[in-house]
Amino acid sequence: DTGVSQNPRHKITKRGQNVTFRCDPISEHNRLYWYRQTLGQGPEFLTYFQNEAQLEKSRLLSDRFSAERPKGSFSTLEIQRTEQGDSAMYLCASSLGQINEKLFFGSGTQLSVL
Amino acid sequence: GQQLNQSPQSMFIQEGEDVSMNCTSSSIFNTWLWYKQEPGEGPVLLIALYKAGELTSNGRLTAQFGITRKDSFLNISASIPSDVGIYFCAGPAGSSNTGKLIFGQGTTLQVKP
Repeated sequence: DTGVSQNPRHKITKRGQNVTFRCDPISEHNRLYWYRQTLGQGPEFLTYFQNEAQLEKSRLLSDRFSAERPKGSFSTLEIQRTEQGDSAMYLCASSLGQINEKLFFGSGTQLSVL
Repeated sequence: GQQLNQSPQSMFIQEGEDVSMNCTSSSIFNTWLWYKQEPGEGPVLLIALYKAGELTSNGRLTAQFGITRKDSFLNISASIPSDVGIYFCAGPAGSSNTGKLIFGQGTTLQVKP
């Protein structure tokens, strides 16, 4: 499978716990994006990487959120001390990093914080 | 800030009917993308538009880049049950070449067999 892969697909956690999600982008894509989507809304940008460098972070990304892409390949998104408001679908996307580029999304990780 | 507004918010149609939906922006875009999302899945890219006035087809789907560069349209001809889903328009956020996208709120399509 050459698409964007995300794990786990679903995560249920208790408030206050830490969670970590993983994204494996399309292999030749050097840009990787994290988005968050709540019910009835379109995806909202969180952060993106060009290779291993994190180049931009949205103000939506509170200090409880951290993302890494250590070797410029897969990425992880960690949420510390989860809150009920963190419940959402977390989507990863990747692209070649060219002008007028297309983003290709994974199937997402659905997080439920109880 | 930039905003994308999609209409209608939802549609319930009979199989075989044609569908039209649109997306308007508060600012000029140089790229329009249309995605479809099914329940529990990520958005899948349907059509990309790069030039004002451009008309592009993908099977029964046709999308147009508005002349004003502030709108785009998606048409689906002869709808079938598997067309069910949420259709999102998207465009580049900001002026820099980051690839970051801003999305509309989506048009939910339901097709009655």
